[in-house]
Amino acid sequence: EVQLVESGGGLVQPGGSLRLSCVVSGFSFSTYAMSWVRQAPGKGLEWVSAISGSGGNTYYADSVKGRFTISRDNSKTTLYLQLNSLRAEDTALYYCARRYSSSWYVFDYWGQGTRVTVSS
Amino acid sequence: QSVLTQPPSVSGAPGQRVTISCTGSSSNIGAGYSVHWYQHLPGTAPKLLIFGNNNRPSGVPDRFSGSKSGTSASLAITGLRAEDEADYYCQSYDNSLSWVFGGGTKLTVL
Repeated sequence: EVQLVESGGGLVQPGGSLRLSCVVSGFSFSTYAMSWVRQAPGKGLEWVSAISGSGGNTYYADSVKGRFTISRDNSKTTLYLQLNSLRAEDTALYYCARRYSSSWYVFDYWGQGTRVTVSS
Repeated sequence: QSVLTQPPSVSGAPGQRVTISCTGSSSNIGAGYSVHWYQHLPGTAPKLLIFGNNNRPSGVPDRFSGSKSGTSASLAITGLRAEDEADYYCQSYDNSLSWVFGGGTKLTVL
């Protein structure tokens, strides 16, 4: 069974940092590209960042470029998102998601999310 | 402001058919990228409903179908059931090397 479990969210002050983790199981982690997607309160889904299976290629939404860093440890089957210089508008539920295949820009499995609140 | 445009809400009675539209531009849907649809209950994991414009993953009933034309796409749900009440999102890819979503449509089963 494919499982994705996020953790690391919490309450942080503006300008602060957090590191989110997503531990996966049930599939060959290193062969799949992964992404982070977030949902701010009362808003829709917003793609945040993506990383290739090897970790050699990374992509970011303009809204987080230069502040967030995506990475992965294939030996630990874990995906990470380092959040720096956090702003109030980064407050959201953050999901990790598996890209279905290299032929499709679609996510077939998602986690339950971890909540990040940026407030003083 | 989402890159893809969806109606904020739609509704229908049990057994009826509803459609949800998704409008993009020449840099995403119109550029030939496929459209995908997710069903989402807030606070839970989104569920892939349709991929590649009109393909259903295993386990998704054939009451759900998708289509795409030009810079737009749509999701149709027939034989509406109470358990279909959820938020629905369309998603595609953009030439700016980013995944793009619609703003979401809340389906209410009357």
